[in-house]
Amino acid sequence: VLLLQSGAEVKKPGASVKVSCQTSGYEFTNYFIHWVRQAPGQGPEWLGWVSPINGDTKYTQRVGGRVAMTRDTSTATAYLELNGLRSDDTAVYYCGRVISLAAPGGGYYYYIDVWGKGTAVTVSS
Amino acid sequence: DIRMTQSPPSLSASVGDRVTITCRASHNISPYLNWYHQRPGKAPTVLIYGASELQNGVPSRFSGSVSGADFILTITNLQPDDFGTYYCQSSFESPFTFGPGTTVDIK
Repeated sequence: VLLLQSGAEVKKPGASVKVSCQTSGYEFTNYFIHWVRQAPGQGPEWLGWVSPINGDTKYTQRVGGRVAMTRDTSTATAYLELNGLRSDDTAVYYCGRVISLAAPGGGYYYYIDVWGKGTAVTVSS
Repeated sequence: DIRMTQSPPSLSASVGDRVTITCRASHNISPYLNWYHQRPGKAPTVLIYGASELQNGVPSRFSGSVSGADFILTITNLQPDDFGTYYCQSSFESPFTFGPGTTVDIK
């Protein structure tokens, strides 16, 4: 199982960036993709998820109005696009394959079992 | 949104030591809690899901438990490979918030 992410990007404030996450080694439509970013020296920040089946999405409110997560089932690739870039968007962006396991008593366990290597996005004037 | 806290922020321990890291959520999320380990410059890797379930392939020296409102990660017989930062993550509902991390330094 591999998640291959696109290369590093340098963008100016206000610009947009699109990061790709090409998957292989498993059935793409069986697993949700989560996106997580990590600013320099900071902990991970969960950004949202995209369903590989129907393209449904859920975003964190912190970037909700500026982000779009999409997928292309023909190439087993997920995408993250972030608009209106600001300096505090500078981070490494990770995609991750999510395991969903039925929990005893109802509900599901969700966790990322395979991560991409990350894409560094630098926002600087 | 659920907020996560961790303690201690950092610790230093010797090879062979037993280490415990605590995570607490602002709401009851039990048992929807994951633990990850991250080395500098690398992506995190999952250790524990469901508060106490060991991910396949993770050494048995790692264990997770719940005590009241606290989620606890225990590492017994600490190994040199265990340095890095440990993060908890709520998987109760979106957003799946991460804790601020605990950095483990090997003496």
